[in-house]
Amino acid sequence: DIQMTQSPSSLSASVGDRVTITCRASQSISSYLNWYQQKPGEAPKFLIYAASSLQNGVPSRFSGSGSGTDFTLTISSLQPEDFATYFCQQSYSTPHTFGQGTKLEI
Amino acid sequence: QVQLQESGPGLVKPSETLSLTCTVSGGSISNSYWSWIRQPPGKGLEWIGYIYYTGSTNYNPSLKSRVTILVDTSKSQFSLKLTSVTAADTAVYYCARIDSSTYYNWFDPWGQGTLVTVSS
Repeated sequence: DIQMTQSPSSLSASVGDRVTITCRASQSISSYLNWYQQKPGEAPKFLIYAASSLQNGVPSRFSGSGSGTDFTLTISSLQPEDFATYFCQQSYSTPHTFGQGTKLEI
Repeated sequence: QVQLQESGPGLVKPSETLSLTCTVSGGSISNSYWSWIRQPPGKGLEWIGYIYYTGSTNYNPSLKSRVTILVDTSKSQFSLKLTSVTAADTAVYYCARIDSSTYYNWFDPWGQGTLVTVSS
C-alpha cells in the first residue's frame, strides 16, 4: 500500500493568513493526488485533482502543487469558512489511501 | 446533480454482519464506479472498495475477506456487507461516486455518511 503522510497534523492560523499543508507519498504517484476539505459532522468535500487542478466552484485562493512524492495545498488568504480538516488522497493505485488529515484551527 | 444517501442499521452486534445501502438520485448509476469509505470517530479515512455498474469490484486487501459490495441498477442502489464485525469497525460509513477526467479519478460526490456502532 502507498502510505500518505501529511504535515502538520494541526495548524493554527488567522483570517487572511497564507497557509501551506504538505502531503508526502511513500512512493512516486506522479500527479495522482487529490485534496478534500472536511468540516465537523460533514462529509469530505472534493477540492483538487491531479495535484493542481481545482474542482469547479472551488475558490481560487486554493491551489495545489507537486508531483512524484511531495505535494502541497496552499490557501492564499484564509477565510472563516476555510477552518476545517484537509485530507490528501492518492489515486495512483489501489488500495486508495488517504493522509491522516491536517486540522486547520483559528 | 447526483446525490447519494446511505441507509442501514446504526447499531450492529459484535460478530454479526454490517449491511448498508447507498441510493443514487439525480443521475444514472450506470457508467460509473461507486465506492464505500469509512471514518472511525476522530480518525482518518479508509477506502473499503468500489464497484462498477456492471458488478465488477475491487476491495481493500485489509478488508477483502470480510467485504462484499453489490449493485442493483434497477433500484439505483449499491450496497456494502461487512461480516464478523468488531468494535474496530465502528465508524461513519460514506458512499461516494468515483468521478474521473482522462487519467485521473477522485471521490465526488459523497453521501452524508451514516454512523455504525458495533456494540452488544
